[in-house]
Amino acid sequence: NAGVTQTPKFQVLKTGQSMTLQCAQDMNHEYMSWYRQDPGMGLRLIHYSVGAGITDQGEVPNGYNVSRSTTEDFPLRLLSAAPSQTSVYFCASSRQGVNTGELFFGEGSRLTVL
Amino acid sequence: KQEVTQIPAALSVPEGENLVLNCSFTDSAIYNLQWFRQDPGKGLTSLLLIQSSQREQTSGRLNASLDKSSGRSTLYIAASQPGDSATYLCAVRPGDSNYQLIWGAGTKLIIKP
Repeated sequence: NAGVTQTPKFQVLKTGQSMTLQCAQDMNHEYMSWYRQDPGMGLRLIHYSVGAGITDQGEVPNGYNVSRSTTEDFPLRLLSAAPSQTSVYFCASSRQGVNTGELFFGEGSRLTVL
Repeated sequence: KQEVTQIPAALSVPEGENLVLNCSFTDSAIYNLQWFRQDPGKGLTSLLLIQSSQREQTSGRLNASLDKSSGRSTLYIAASQPGDSATYLCAVRPGDSNYQLIWGAGTKLIIKP
């Protein structure tokens, strides 16, 4: 059971570089989301999608882009990395938004921006 | 704006003790509250979901309660074991959002053998 798969697990970038964090789920979930987790703070929602072709902004969307061309994949793009984007990023999916409690998380991607 | 707080940030107890983790929120207008577990280097695992109309939920040795009027939830762990060592996070779904959760920063729990 693959569940939610995130790649890469670790990444170091220089300021101004761009990169894409990959997220894939094999559970046919309609809802997918990206969070960032910073020390001493709760998770914060970056972007989410309720189905292929539909995305929306969360609490902290600036500096990030997403797309949802298939049900399975929900990549997160950093357009021009900044040190403030150093964080651990989590992708999560569920069958029906955040109502059911069945929110499945990937193992995270630790990003350092120098 | 909804805020979620978990105190203490860290807790260490001997194996076998019953313990309570706390979660407080500032706005009682919530749809539900969830408790998650996070192991080091891993993702989060959903433990319990309490709808706003419910008072508590139970799963094995875990019991979560919800008091909306006081803005509090507790996670009770019975007969703690070293395998319970993890960070426990609570999250609320605000009443005005279909897809966003507001998270606490978590309580890091260490169970000493």
